[in-house]
Amino acid sequence: DVQLLESGGGSVQSGGSLRLSCAASGFTFSNYAMSWVRQAPGKGLEWVSAISGSGTIPYYTDSVKGRFTISRDNSQNTLSLQMNRLRAEDTALYYCTKVFWVGVKAIPPDAFDIWGRGTIVTVSS
Amino acid sequence: QSVLTQPPSTSTTPGQSVTISCSGSSFNIGNNYVHWYQQLPGTAPKLLIFRNNQRPSGVPDRFSGSKSGTSASLAISGLRSDDEGDYYCAAWDDSVTAWVFGGGTKLTVL
Repeated sequence: DVQLLESGGGSVQSGGSLRLSCAASGFTFSNYAMSWVRQAPGKGLEWVSAISGSGTIPYYTDSVKGRFTISRDNSQNTLSLQMNRLRAEDTALYYCTKVFWVGVKAIPPDAFDIWGRGTIVTVSS
Repeated sequence: QSVLTQPPSTSTTPGQSVTISCSGSSFNIGNNYVHWYQQLPGTAPKLLIFRNNQRPSGVPDRFSGSKSGTSASLAISGLRSDDEGDYYCAAWDDSVTAWVFGGGTKLTVL
């Protein structure tokens, strides 16, 4: 069964750091780009970051560039998001997602077909 | 302000049909696939329609998607009370090299 399980969320003060992890199972992890999508309390979905299957190509939304770093360990089927210099506006439920189409050396602009249950990040000012 | 524009809410009665619109630009919907996600209360989003009009395995044919120019639509027929939730459109945006979402449409089935 294809599954994504996030961990690492928590409460932190503004300016602090957190590292999110996502454990993947049920598919050939290294063949697919992966992504993080977040949802602030009572708000809509916002794409945050993505990484190619090989881990060599990262993309970020403008508001997190220079603060967040996405990475992956294909030997452990794990996706990570290192979040530094956190701000109150980063408070959200963070979802790990899988990109539908195969993308080893690139990030295909395709749908997110698998979603985890999310991990909550709370940043207090 | 979301890059893709959706109506904030819509409501209807069981058994009826509804269409949710999603408007964008040539940088996103006009040049890329549109995808739709369903988020039922208290749950993670779920892929409902991908690549404009494709249904993932397990999604009933009551749900259908279409795209024309820089706009897209999600149609739901035979509405049921358990269809209540939030529906989001999304697409890749070439101008910002990012996925963009609509603000979401809250569907109420009275």
